[in-house]
Amino acid sequence: DAGVTQSPTHLIKTRGQQVTLRCSPKSGHDTVSWYQQALGQGPQFIFQYYEEEERQRGNFPDRFSGHQFPNYSSELNVNALLLGDSALYLCASSLEAGVYGYTFGSGTRLTVV
Amino acid sequence: DAKTTQPPSMDCAEGRAANLPCNHSTISGNEYVYWYRQIHSQGPQYIIHGLKNNETNEMASLIITEDRKSSTLILPHATLRDTAVYYCIASLSHNAGNMLTFGGGTRLMVKP
Repeated sequence: DAGVTQSPTHLIKTRGQQVTLRCSPKSGHDTVSWYQQALGQGPQFIFQYYEEEERQRGNFPDRFSGHQFPNYSSELNVNALLLGDSALYLCASSLEAGVYGYTFGSGTRLTVV
Repeated sequence: DAKTTQPPSMDCAEGRAANLPCNHSTISGNEYVYWYRQIHSQGPQYIIHGLKNNETNEMASLIITEDRKSSTLILPHATLRDTAVYYCIASLSHNAGNMLTFGGGTRLMVKP
């Protein structure tokens, strides 16, 4: 049973550019959340998608946007990249009606130069 | 979500029990205590959760004090592969729809 799959695993972008990160949730999961983890810190919640809509959002600017597709996969888009956006971006999936913990992917390491 | 406090780091000898404490003195009655761990270069991994009663699964045991102001995660026989950052999180719901608020966690080093 495949877990959460994220692509790409590593990415280098230049300041001002735009980036799209992708996530395929664990089979059977219908909810996708995105987290940003700066070096040496705990993950910070960006937003959550359910039924193709953003349901919750953390304290992140509008430069961060997302999308969920009918097959439950998701994309995270970041516009006008800043050096401070360099981080590990984690995708977590879960079952809306479930009672078990979130399943995280291994993340995408984004470096902005 | 209630704030949790954990020691920044701990050491444990391989084969011994690792006891990781967590304070959550402001936890509300309907908030669960969740534990996740993050091994280097991987995403966080769910370990266990509880509300009032002590819980045990194949990975660990969770002991919650009667007043629910603190808890302890117990890894009964720590191995080198248990070296990781352990996060204690207090949250309203375990279901989807509720975000996880991670703190700094405890960096557990299991030594031979």
